[in-house]
Amino acid sequence: DGGITQSPKYLFRKEGQNVTLSCEQNLNHDAMYWYRQDPGQGLRLIYYSQIVNDFQKGDIAEGYSVSREKKESFPLTVTSAQKNPTAFYLCASSIGGLAGRETQYFGPGTRLLVL
Amino acid sequence: GESVGLHLPTLSVQEGDNSIINCAYSNSASDYFIWYKQESGKGPQFIIDIRSNMDKRQGQRVTVLLNKTVKHLSLQIAATQPGDSAVYFCAENMGNYGQNFVFGPGTRLSVLP
Repeated sequence: DGGITQSPKYLFRKEGQNVTLSCEQNLNHDAMYWYRQDPGQGLRLIYYSQIVNDFQKGDIAEGYSVSREKKESFPLTVTSAQKNPTAFYLCASSIGGLAGRETQYFGPGTRLLVL
Repeated sequence: GESVGLHLPTLSVQEGDNSIINCAYSNSASDYFIWYKQESGKGPQFIIDIRSNMDKRQGQRVTVLLNKTVKHLSLQIAATQPGDSAVYFCAENMGNYGQNFVFGPGTRLSVLP
């Protein structure tokens, strides 16, 4: 099956701990994105990557880090510097090139909870 | 319509009726729009898109209307079914490379039997 997978579905973080959320796609898309979703709010962009080994900060990058070593993978690390990490995290991808004017397809999401 | 805070606007419709969900967008320069459907605990699912050179686009049971004069987008769902119950939100393309979409918080559609 082609698509975007995220794991785990639920993730628990202890105070002071870094945690990493996985995102994998087999759509051969160049561009990948991480969003945060809070109740009653629109998605907010954390980081995006247009191509392997390159990524850019989004609107709310503080307390997060990413890497893009492979085209298929774009993991997101929530660091201890992120003081309010509880949210639903969504990964998306698009064909790229004219990134931004292409449809973004989303993964199933990871819900992060703080213990 | 749009809202802030924890509570999304809710639209309740009878099964079989048509639904109209509205979205006001912010940037008159936006030239690409998408409607997504999001079921509880799941990722958003693409429904339909429209570019600013069009006023209307139809899909299977769905129609998107774009009124650029008043910066308004609507999603019409024909013969609404229980499986249509979800949160629907619009996304506008702001035209900036990379940081390109602004997402509305959504409207919750509840289909009554």
